[in-house]
Amino acid sequence: DVKVTQSSRYLVKRTGEKVFLECVQDMDHENMFWYRQDPGLGLRLIYFSYDVKMKEKGDIPEGYSVSREKKERFSLILESASTNQTSMYLCASSSSPRANSPLHFGNGTRLTVT
Amino acid sequence: EDKVVQSPLSLVVHEGDTVTLNCSYEVTNFRSLLWYKQEKKAPTFLFMLTSSGIEKKSGRLSSILDKKELFSILNITATQTGDSAIYLCAVPNTNAGKSTFGDGTTLTVKP
Repeated sequence: DVKVTQSSRYLVKRTGEKVFLECVQDMDHENMFWYRQDPGLGLRLIYFSYDVKMKEKGDIPEGYSVSREKKERFSLILESASTNQTSMYLCASSSSPRANSPLHFGNGTRLTVT
Repeated sequence: EDKVVQSPLSLVVHEGDTVTLNCSYEVTNFRSLLWYKQEKKAPTFLFMLTSSGIEKKSGRLSSILDKKELFSILNITATQTGDSAIYLCAVPNTNAGKSTFGDGTTLTVKP
């Protein structure tokens, strides 16, 4: 069974702090994704990656960056956290190179920025 | 721009009821539509539909796709309190390499 592990379940940070959200998958999947989930707005794609050191902007990349130094790990970085980045962050991975296969999600990180 | 619309946004039923959740889409280069169930944590995969008119079934859950009218339905029969969850519909854009999600339907099943 695919396991996608997000390092923190809950996180509280102050405005202006640099925040790292870590995600690790154990199935050798090429593709990894970061979403945020907000009530009434569904899941919105922040960034995704098809390979090591490769990244693509999703629909809402502003205020975020990512890092993929190893195939199994995909990090989301908030350079200077703001209160409007308070959200549930979900990491996912998949095996298909063209997104045409199920996503396997981590349990999410609920981030609160005060 | 790709679009996925789910309805209703929320639904409250009693145990034993049958529910139908809807998902309509406008996506370039359509190849599949996927349904997920999200309880308190991670969304988990339910069905992947690629062909019109072929029902996918798992226990009390079933789903079907209509590629002509660009929609899918997810049916749950004899609902149980454990079916309470957010149900998400997603459509991959295979050229862009990413999926577009609907806003989800929040189903609450009361005892």
